Amino acid sequence: AQRVTQPEKLLSVFKGAPVELKCNYSYSGSPELFWYVQYSRQRLQLLLRHISRESIKGFTADLNKGETSFHLKKPFAQEEDSAMYYCAPWYSSASKIIFGSGTRLSIRP
Amino acid sequence: DAGVIQSPRHEVTEMGQEVTLRCKPISGHDYLFWYRQTMMRGLELLIYFNNNVPIDDSGMPEDRFSAKMPNASFSTLKIQPSEPRDSAVYFCASKSRIQGISGELFFGEGSRLTVL
Repeated sequence: AQRVTQPEKLLSVFKGAPVELKCNYSYSGSPELFWYVQYSRQRLQLLLRHISRESIKGFTADLNKGETSFHLKKPFAQEEDSAMYYCAPWYSSASKIIFGSGTRLSIRP
Repeated sequence: DAGVIQSPRHEVTEMGQEVTLRCKPISGHDYLFWYRQTMMRGLELLIYFNNNVPIDDSGMPEDRFSAKMPNASFSTLKIQPSEPRDSAVYFCASKSRIQGISGELFFGEGSRLTVL
C-alpha cells in the first residue's frame, strides 16, 4: 500500500534558524515526489518537485531512496514561510497523488 | 483562467440534510480530484476522475458519499445524509495529462462544511 508519513504536526522555529520538515514514503516502485504548501488564506499550491532538482523560495528537498525520505529543508527560515506543508508522492502504478497529514510550520520573530 | 472554482465556499447544515459541493475544473484539464482536509487526518483523496470517468473511489468514506462528473467542466460531491463527522474542508483539484502523468495539481479554494 502507498503511504506517506509526516511525523511532525507542528514545527516551530525562530526566524533565521534552519528548517527541516520530514517526509517518509512507502516504497512501491519509484514514486515521483512533491511538496505542496498552503499559506494562510491561499490555495494549496505546488512548492517543488524532486525531478526538477530546483530551489524554490530557498527550499530544497533531497530524495533519499535508501531511507525512502524526501525531507524539505531551508537554511534560514523567514516569517513568510509560516504555512502548512504537505509531502505528496505520485505513484504511477495507482495514477494518483496521495498527501501526508501535513506539517504546520510556524516561524517566530 | 480563474482557476478551479468551488462552491459554496462555506456551508453550515444540520445533521441529516443533503449537502452538494460543486467544482468547475480548469478548462482543458482532464483529471479531477476530490480531497477532504481535517486537522486529524490531513488531506485525504476521496475520488478522482479521468475524462469524466471515475477511476478510483476507494477513498470515499461510505455510501453516504457520492460524486459525479457529467461533463468536462463540472463535478459534484454529494453527502446524504450528512453527519457531524463530515465537517471538514473539501478541495477539488484538476490537472492536465499534457503535463505528464505526474503533473502539477491545481486546487480550488475549498468548501468548508460544518454539520451541526
